[in-house]
Amino acid sequence: AQKVTQAQTEISVVEKEDVTLDCVYETRDTTYYLFWYKQPPSGELVFLIRRNSFDEQNEISGRYSWNFQKSTSSFNFTITASQVVDSAVYFCALRRTNSGGYQKVTFGTGTKLQVIP
Amino acid sequence: DAGVTQSPTHLIKTRGQQVTLRCSPISGHKSVSWYQQVLGQGPQFIFQYYEKEERGRGNFPDRFSARQFPNYSSELNVNALLLGDSALYLCASSLGTGGPYEQYFGPGTRLTVT
Repeated sequence: AQKVTQAQTEISVVEKEDVTLDCVYETRDTTYYLFWYKQPPSGELVFLIRRNSFDEQNEISGRYSWNFQKSTSSFNFTITASQVVDSAVYFCALRRTNSGGYQKVTFGTGTKLQVIP
Repeated sequence: DAGVTQSPTHLIKTRGQQVTLRCSPISGHKSVSWYQQVLGQGPQFIFQYYEKEERGRGNFPDRFSARQFPNYSSELNVNALLLGDSALYLCASSLGTGGPYEQYFGPGTRLTVT
């Protein structure tokens, strides 16, 4: 069975502060994909990043960075110099790479981020 | 190119009624997946269809059914609606199944059951 845990339910930060969203996952698979999605109030899930379980190289993209540690089953997401437009619910998700030919994605319960001006 | 589209945007139904939600994938995408997102929770996988065949089903009752048409659009049907079916229903499309194929989500249909 797969499980994704986002222990932080809600986070509030003041604009320009850095914020890290935590994600811990459980899977028996040796190969899998990890994702972060952003869901603004409009409801549409916006894809942010995908990581293959073989690729532990951490990445920085603009104000976003990701820290994938397979040893601790964590895939954390950091926003540097947060902005009001970053306010949204962020979901961490896990997908098996080959599960009988279909893409069942297991999502965490989400972390609501509020950036206060 | 247009993204994933879903209709209707909002829907209000009464307990016991039936509802049909529609999804059009991104052009060229042959796979459509459906998710249910209850308020305050993450999306839960319902179905995936690829080339008009069901490829995966989540832990949902038989009241939920879906199909995919030759043009790869899809419909999700829910019969005998319960209050607990109130949720945002998300559709996602991808080029294929499994592997590295990315899923792109639509804006969702918000269903309210009264």
